[in-house]
Amino acid sequence: DSGVTQTPKHLITATGQRVTLRCSPRSGDLSVYWYQQSLDQGLQFLIQYYNGEERAKGNILERFSAQQFPDLHSELNLSSLELGDSALYFCASSDRDDEQFFGPGTRLTVL
Amino acid sequence: KNEVEQSPQNLTAQEGEFITINCSYSVGISALHWLQQHPGGGIVSLFMLSSGKKKHGRLIATINIQEKHSSLHITASHPRDSAVYICAVAEYGNKLVFGAGTILRVKS
Repeated sequence: DSGVTQTPKHLITATGQRVTLRCSPRSGDLSVYWYQQSLDQGLQFLIQYYNGEERAKGNILERFSAQQFPDLHSELNLSSLELGDSALYFCASSDRDDEQFFGPGTRLTVL
Repeated sequence: KNEVEQSPQNLTAQEGEFITINCSYSVGISALHWLQQHPGGGIVSLFMLSSGKKKHGRLIATINIQEKHSSLHITASHPRDSAVYICAVAEYGNKLVFGAGTILRVKS
């Protein structure tokens, strides 16, 4: 158990819908990272937050947004969903630029 | 060309064999990570290294910064080592760029 929690585990929704994925980092970790793992693209970095502020941005679509709250949990919002958004979404946390600990992931299926 | 290249893509070994997975990268990095992903999907961090060599149990990771190359070794492999092994490099900050992964199967 990495200490990082993600909810929900599975999510099935329809095209055009909006969903929110939630991540709670390990106790004391200020950095939260979001990653997408799809069959065709592999693992890709989406976005990083550090202590509530956006720190780095990767291949995150404009339809996607994220935030980190004062209690350090983070949410990834995916809107106007398309079939191609079906993937595993991982959250990870770290203390500064240290080893990252991954959550169990949320499997999103868009029908 | 991908920034992070792993080889081999697939590897089948007999229990007890010594295994090596290689990773080459083309960008400047602050650190290199080796990750393990089991069939259930969960990802576990094995090593984070920026120089030299690290050892944890039967796993050894090495990195050569000048040659931009890292290796992950598994000694006395066991069927429970069967998983996907992923190399990832940390660019500025701690943003990770991932290799495609090596699928390892260890047969008993």
